[in-house]
Amino acid sequence: GENVEQHPSTLSVQEGDSAVIKCTYSDSASNYFPWYKQELGKRPQLIIDIRSNVGEKKDQRIAVTLNKTAKHFSLHITETQPEDSAVYFCAAYSGGYQKVTFGIGTKLQVIP
Amino acid sequence: GAVVSQHPSWVICKSGTSVKIECRSLDFQATTMFWYRQFPKQSLMLMATSNEGSKATYEQGVEKDKFLINHASLTLSTLTVTSAHPEDSSFYICSAAHGTGELFFGEGSRLTVL
Repeated sequence: GENVEQHPSTLSVQEGDSAVIKCTYSDSASNYFPWYKQELGKRPQLIIDIRSNVGEKKDQRIAVTLNKTAKHFSLHITETQPEDSAVYFCAAYSGGYQKVTFGIGTKLQVIP
Repeated sequence: GAVVSQHPSWVICKSGTSVKIECRSLDFQATTMFWYRQFPKQSLMLMATSNEGSKATYEQGVEKDKFLINHASLTLSTLTVTSAHPEDSSFYICSAAHGTGELFFGEGSRLTVL
C-alpha cells in the first residue's frame, strides 16, 4: 500500500518568514496530493491540492510543488502569519474513491 | 464548499455501553465515506472505508465487530462503538468523497469512555 512520509514534525518560524513542509510517497499510482490544515480540536480543512499532471500550483501565499519522478511534494507558505499556526497534513491517493494515506503531520508555529 | 456534518461533537459514556456517531453529507451524495481515529498530537488513522449499500472495508487491526459501520444512504454513514472501553476514548472523524474527488471532513466527535 501507499506510504507517506512527512517532515519536519515540528517547525517554528518568525512571522514573515517562509515555511516549507516536505512529503514523499511510495505508490507511483497516486495522482492526487491534497494538503490539510488542522487547528486544535477542529476538523482538517483542505488548503491546496495538486494533481499528478501539474508540477506546481499557487494560491496567494501558499504553493505546492510536485516531483513525480522523485515521488515527493512540498508545501510552501510565504509571509507567514500567526494564524498560520496549526498542524499541516499531506496526503496521497489514487482517486476513484480509494483510500487516502496521510502523512504524520507537521506542527507549525509562527512566532509573532 | 461542500458540507459534511458529524454528530455528536462530544460524547461521554460508561464503559460497556455503545455509542453511535453519525456522518452526513449535507449538500452532495457520497457513495464513499471514510472513518478515521485521531489520537492527541497524532495523524489521522484510517479505520474503515464505508460504501453505500455494501459492507465496510476495515483496515488491518480494526475490529469490525467493535466498530460497526453502516452506510444506508448516499448521505449518511454511522459508526457505532460497541461495548466501549476507556481505551476507545479518542477523536473520531469522518470524511466524504465528493464527485470531484475532493474529501470533505466532518467536525469530529470526541468520545470519552469512563
